[in-house]
Amino acid sequence: DAGITQSPRHKVTETGTPVTLRCHQTENHRYMYWYRQDPGHGLRLIHYSYGVKDTDKGEVSDGYSVSRSKTEDFLLTLESATSSQTSVYFCAIKLARDTDTQYFGPGTRLTVL
Amino acid sequence: QQQVKQSPQSLIVQKGGISIINCAYENTAFDYFPWYQQFPGKGPALLIAIRPDVSEKKEGRFTISFNKSAKQFSLHIMDSQPGDSATYFCAASRRGNTGKLIFGQGTTLQVKP
Repeated sequence: DAGITQSPRHKVTETGTPVTLRCHQTENHRYMYWYRQDPGHGLRLIHYSYGVKDTDKGEVSDGYSVSRSKTEDFLLTLESATSSQTSVYFCAIKLARDTDTQYFGPGTRLTVL
Repeated sequence: QQQVKQSPQSLIVQKGGISIINCAYENTAFDYFPWYQQFPGKGPALLIAIRPDVSEKKEGRFTISFNKSAKQFSLHIMDSQPGDSATYFCAASRRGNTGKLIFGQGTTLQVKP
């Protein structure tokens, strides 16, 4: 699992509340990614990071923000959760700039009521 | 716009049979094509990957066939086993330092004993 942990693993929240999901890695990899997985859509990239304080948007970034203040942690925040953000969220890491393989964490199942 | 289209959505195969999953892509700049395997409750795990400079890559019972002119690639699982029952995702990316993956919609494979 490339030393990736995600927390919480499950969360139920209400519409309009802020939510922060955490991805933690133990091996100081530079590249980190947040995806969401929904039936019929596969996995879609939300945001990614290529270094501390270096982040960029993916294809479904609206309603999400990220922060990376240290190498090992990549946080995904839903400022005001909506029911359309009910999903399974996966964090991934890439080992190096010139490699392509991404390793995924175990996921966080988020339900927004 | 779905840049990677995957079919079929679901597949049932008898034990010992061949499972075939197909993907088509649109962006000719893609140059890395991985397949991921995902078991329920787990994150996706890299199964096998190919680059466009070869037409086929084989690892054990798993083979990727790649057709650059048709912009298609497929996963073949030979001698399918019940333990292969999982969801399979194809993906594509441009080689580079960001490594953003574009995923297909996924195929749920059931191998019957």
